[in-house]
Amino acid sequence: GAVVSQHPSWVICKSGTSVKIECRSLDFQATTMFWYRQFPKQSLMLMATSNEGSKATYEQGVEKDKFLINHASLTLSTLTVTSAHPEDSSFYICSASGAGPYEQYFGPGTRLTVT
Amino acid sequence: DAKTTQPTSMDCAEGRAANLPCNHSTISGNEYVYWYRQIHSQGPQYIIHGLKNNETNEMASLIITEDRKSSTLILPHATLRDTAVYYCIVKLIFGTGTRLQVFP
Repeated sequence: GAVVSQHPSWVICKSGTSVKIECRSLDFQATTMFWYRQFPKQSLMLMATSNEGSKATYEQGVEKDKFLINHASLTLSTLTVTSAHPEDSSFYICSASGAGPYEQYFGPGTRLTVT
Repeated sequence: DAKTTQPTSMDCAEGRAANLPCNHSTISGNEYVYWYRQIHSQGPQYIIHGLKNNETNEMASLIITEDRKSSTLILPHATLRDTAVYYCIVKLIFGTGTRLQVFP
């Protein structure tokens, strides 16, 4: 149990375009989902916390107008990188909260490359 | 800022126990310690978590000191597939993790 999927697993886009990444909890309902970003050889950095039916809470330094998060259902959250630039190239990972508030199950990640 | 500190890297011989320490001296009374591991280019995998008591599951054991300021993750019989970066986290903040290399 506790499976989280992400789609797509990788994407290449041109600078200035927008990219949407989906995160789904497949076998449980997740009231809270989290979005992380990971640059090469670095740790995961929390970008935002997403609660179903409400606005996401963004970490300091993360632009909410650039990284749009929608959590419309208990099994789906989406992250849209708007007007992507090469510096947005990264590994984006989502997680869904299980029984405990900080018990997380992670998706496999989405590698974004902006050319 | 990360609430945990871990050694950057460790080596372990296959079949031996791997003991990964973590310092979380600023942990609050109701905060859990979670352990995850990440194999290259994959999402982190949940291992175990605990509050104050020692915990064991099919993957590992977690030993938490009485003052809760540190903990140790124990992989009792490390295999080559256990080579990964291991993260000890409190709340949602990831530190740098420990890169565990299991060698034959």
